[in-house]
Amino acid sequence: KTQVEQSPQSLVVRQGENCVLQCNYSVTPDNHLRWFKQDTGKGLVSLTVLVHENDKTSNGRYSATLDKDAKHSTLHITATLLDDTATYICVVGDRGSALGRLHFGAGTQLIVIP
Amino acid sequence: DMKVTQMPRYLIKRMGENVLLECGQDMSHETMYWYRQDPGLGLQLIYISYDVDSNSEGDIPKGYRVSRKKREHFSLILDSAKTNQTSVYFCASSFHAANQAPLFGEGTRLSVL
Repeated sequence: KTQVEQSPQSLVVRQGENCVLQCNYSVTPDNHLRWFKQDTGKGLVSLTVLVHENDKTSNGRYSATLDKDAKHSTLHITATLLDDTATYICVVGDRGSALGRLHFGAGTQLIVIP
Repeated sequence: DMKVTQMPRYLIKRMGENVLLECGQDMSHETMYWYRQDPGLGLQLIYISYDVDSNSEGDIPKGYRVSRKKREHFSLILDSAKTNQTSVYFCASSFHAANQAPLFGEGTRLSVL
């Protein structure tokens, strides 16, 4: 059974609009949660990592939250640009080192149109 | 420039042929990974390597084997490829340390006909 569920599966927004991507998971233990961006035909690039209960992070126009009690995270993208078109992948790590496993969501495909 | 390099980027093979996917990194990362990515699914771990000759099976190792004779190089081998091994394969590397983001290569798109 999939342990990391992302919604929506796909999303189309107009340039300049804001959007919110959701990630729900059942991974236990949940040491940390990371959001990746994957451009078409490319590898995954880390955007941000959340570690603690009720963590909030900000990286330019990207901001993320984590609610460990609810096992839920959101990724907010403000003032979207055409270059934000990509798949955004939520990953939950069950340990704080390479000895742990990473559990990947299937991703949300974001398309930004002019 | 920190980079994970995968070769080749695209590969077409016939069922039953042997396949060699190569991955290199220049950051002296101890840990390296091979994943496959299929439509609608999250990345699935095939093998993980904690250092030279220290390899462990991931979640879907059947039909694959790996080789790590140098820290900077990790190979994925498919002996007698099958059509259901058509996929995009990603290599990644990281330090052992807590919460280090793995660095991913750009992937190898393999088609087995």
